[in-house]
This record gives sequence, C-alpha cells and structure tokens, in this order.
Amino acid sequence: KAGVTQTPRYLIKTRGQQVTLSCSPISGHRSVSWYQQTPGQGLQFLFEYFSETQRNKGNFPGRFSGRQFSNSRSEMNVSTLELGDSALYLCASSLDTGGKETQYFGPGTRLLVL
Amino acid sequence: GQQLNQSPQSMFIQEGEDVSMNCTSSSIFNTWLWYKQEPGEGPVLLIALYKAGELTSNGRLTAQFGITRKDSFLNISASIPSDVGIYFCAGQLRGIQGAQKLVFGQGTRLTINP
Repeated sequence: KAGVTQTPRYLIKTRGQQVTLSCSPISGHRSVSWYQQTPGQGLQFLFEYFSETQRNKGNFPGRFSGRQFSNSRSEMNVSTLELGDSALYLCASSLDTGGKETQYFGPGTRLLVL
Repeated sequence: GQQLNQSPQSMFIQEGEDVSMNCTSSSIFNTWLWYKQEPGEGPVLLIALYKAGELTSNGRLTAQFGITRKDSFLNISASIPSDVGIYFCAGQLRGIQGAQKLVFGQGTRLTINP
C-alpha cells in the first residue's frame, strides 16, 4: 500500500504571496491532519479534516486554511506569507474507525519564504 | 503551543550501547506514539501504545505507556548506526466527534559513534 504523499516537496515563495500544499492520504484513510515543524517551535498541530469537514483546529492565524475532498485528499493554503511561515509542513493520515488509531506521516513540503 | 516534556534532548553514545528516553505530560493521553525522523523526511511510526501500563516491543525497541497515562518511555537496545535520527514522542487526544490531535515532545537527537 502506498504511503502518504505530499506535493510539492520543496517550495520557495516571497513575503505576501500565497501557497497551496497538497496531501494524498493512504488509501482508505479518512482522516487527514496537518502539522508545522520548525526548529524553534517543534511540531505543532494545524488542523484535522474528516469527511470533508474540519474536525479540529490548532492555534494558528486565519491565514492558514485547508480543505478535504471527497476522495480524502487534502490541501492546505497559507495566504499573505510571512518569513516565519518558513517550515516543514507535514501531512498525516489515519483510518479513524474510532478504535486504535495511529497517524502516518508523509515526507513533508519544505517551504522557504524570502 | 502545547508540548510534551521529552528528555534527554540529545544523546551521544557508542555503537552497541542501550538508549533510554522518556516523555512526561501534565495531561492524560489516550494513546502514546513514538516516531523517528531522519533528515529531509517525515516522522516514521515506531511504536503505538493504547492502554495504560502497556509494554510493547518492536525488534530492539521497547516502549511503555505509563500507568498514570501521563508519561511514556522508549528503550533501544544494542544500538546500531542506522538508529541515528531524532526520536519524538507524541500523545494523542481525541475530542468531540472523534477529533484527533497529536501533541509532540521536543525530540531526542541520537548520535552514535561507531
């Protein structure tokens, strides 16, 4: 079974631009979560989507948004980029049957904001 | 953002030595997870723990879910060069309507001298 895939793997943007990152979960997984990883703050939860609905949200400004499609694929968008948005953005998927769940991560998208 | 207290932050050991790291929290978690991350990649799941007191092994790795549900440890026996990387603990929270969120420790960077 293929793992979580994320595109693009690397991205360079300038301040003020916007960016869209894509995530394809493991086949059959219905929950997709997004995390931001920086050297200073570590791994921080952004949001979780399930059945095309945002089910949980972390403590990030409204510039960070996401969505999930009917095939469980997800995108996240960051508008009006700031230098501090430079980070590794990780997507994780889980089956979510309400039982013993684990989240499996993709390789991440490394975003550099200049 | 919320984080777990993971220690030690870094370890420098000789090949063949055993390694021990732990995570503590002021909050209770339903699930404890241990991940390993290598440069340029996303975290890879090593061990998942679902029940207080549970002790689980995966090859040379052993992890335990603390009885209070507020802590966990990971042991690596007879370390080898490919064990090099950053190890993260994560506590999983499940909220209303099954909303999921992982809270991460700061990571333990493992370096091995051959």
